[in-house]
Amino acid sequence: DIVMTQSPDSLAVSLGERATINCKSSQSVVYSSSNRNYLAWYQQKPGQPPKLLIYWASTRESGVPDRFSGSGSGTDFILTISSLQAEDVAVYYCQQYYSTPYTFGQGTKLEIK
Amino acid sequence: QVQLQESGPGLVRTSETLSLTCTVSGGSLSGYYWSWIRQPPGKGLEWIGYIYDSTSINYNPSLKSRLTISVDTSKNQFSLKVRSVTAADTAVYYCARATTVVAPVDYWGQGTLVTVSS
Repeated sequence: DIVMTQSPDSLAVSLGERATINCKSSQSVVYSSSNRNYLAWYQQKPGQPPKLLIYWASTRESGVPDRFSGSGSGTDFILTISSLQAEDVAVYYCQQYYSTPYTFGQGTKLEIK
Repeated sequence: QVQLQESGPGLVRTSETLSLTCTVSGGSLSGYYWSWIRQPPGKGLEWIGYIYDSTSINYNPSLKSRLTISVDTSKNQFSLKVRSVTAADTAVYYCARATTVVAPVDYWGQGTLVTVSS
């Protein structure tokens, strides 16, 4: 299984400031034939299912605000929220869909400082 | 707009079988990968398995011996059975959709809490 490890486990950021969440996979999740990273980011608010934010490591899902961005390749990935809004308080998960069993990071809880 | 809705008992006795159904509305089951994903209270997400057009089923090896995922295209539903449950199977169970075998989940059900207790 590919192990996904996120850091930090929790993060407190002031409104309007940048938030950065890291995700590391235990093996590369990029297919050489497509040069695509099979990595997604989800946002989960209390009592709700996860919501897809980013796929292919850096492609924003339709309707997701452009303050959310994803970067990285191979085994190291970053989710950045450029200017934190109150509605961004949530738990964020990365997921690899490179191979089964698909696996998720343990989650990063983002709060307002 | 595709919608997914889980249904099934909220309480299952230890050692019995957990059975859930996901009803899909606003779209067809055909051509998509339909997954079950669970989340123990206060914890992270665990992929359970997927089914594709009844022809392809893939289970998480950690659970494989206890799982059955099936589909009923006439009702636009797919189902999950987990046998011999223990308290460790207590979780919110989500049904979900992906467009291909190598794609993220783009639609999720709201989730249903299943508690395993003696």
